[in-house]
Amino acid sequence: DTGVSQNPRHKITKRGQNVTFRCDPISEHNRLYWYRQTLGQGPEFLTYFQNEAQLEKSRLLSDRFSAERPKGSFSTLEIQRTEQGDSAMYLCASRVSTGELFFGEGSRLTVL
Amino acid sequence: AQRVTQPEKLLSVFKGAPVELKCNYSYSGSPELFWYVQYSRQRLQLLLRHISRESIKGFTADLNKGETSFHLKKPFAQEEDSAMYYCALSRPGANSKLTFGKGITLSVRP
Repeated sequence: DTGVSQNPRHKITKRGQNVTFRCDPISEHNRLYWYRQTLGQGPEFLTYFQNEAQLEKSRLLSDRFSAERPKGSFSTLEIQRTEQGDSAMYLCASRVSTGELFFGEGSRLTVL
Repeated sequence: AQRVTQPEKLLSVFKGAPVELKCNYSYSGSPELFWYVQYSRQRLQLLLRHISRESIKGFTADLNKGETSFHLKKPFAQEEDSAMYYCALSRPGANSKLTFGKGITLSVRP
């Protein structure tokens, strides 16, 4: 499968722990996006990279959230001191320029 | 601020019946509009975008700027159309994010 890859697919953690999600975009895609989706809602934008530069962050991305994309390839999304409200599906997507946005299968986070 | 409204959460129809999934948007300017679909146990994928003016899997959507709507239509629903459908909007340009509606579940009964 040469699509967008995300791991882990599921993560269960206790409140207060740190978690990190990884996204491997389609290889030639220079634009990478993170979205969060909670039950009954559509995906909500979190942040966006063009190559290694983080160009936009949503107000949803509190200080406990940090995203990186070193070398403009894979990206990581870290959540520190997790809270129950962080429980959601975290989606990664990538594309070239104005082309179609391709989504990964998502990483589901459950905070106990 | 840009906003997408999908007023219904669920639409259930019989096979062969017409389908219309409603989408209204709020945006000051000329947005790009999209419909995304998520079949059971599959990832979210693009169904169609208004600038393409295509018919995909029998679905069409027309952008009505006067009514700020982008409803998705299909004349004869098939069971395989059962899925979650999301309407989305972005401003034109490469450095733009998608704003999604809450989605609607389409259930097509045999």
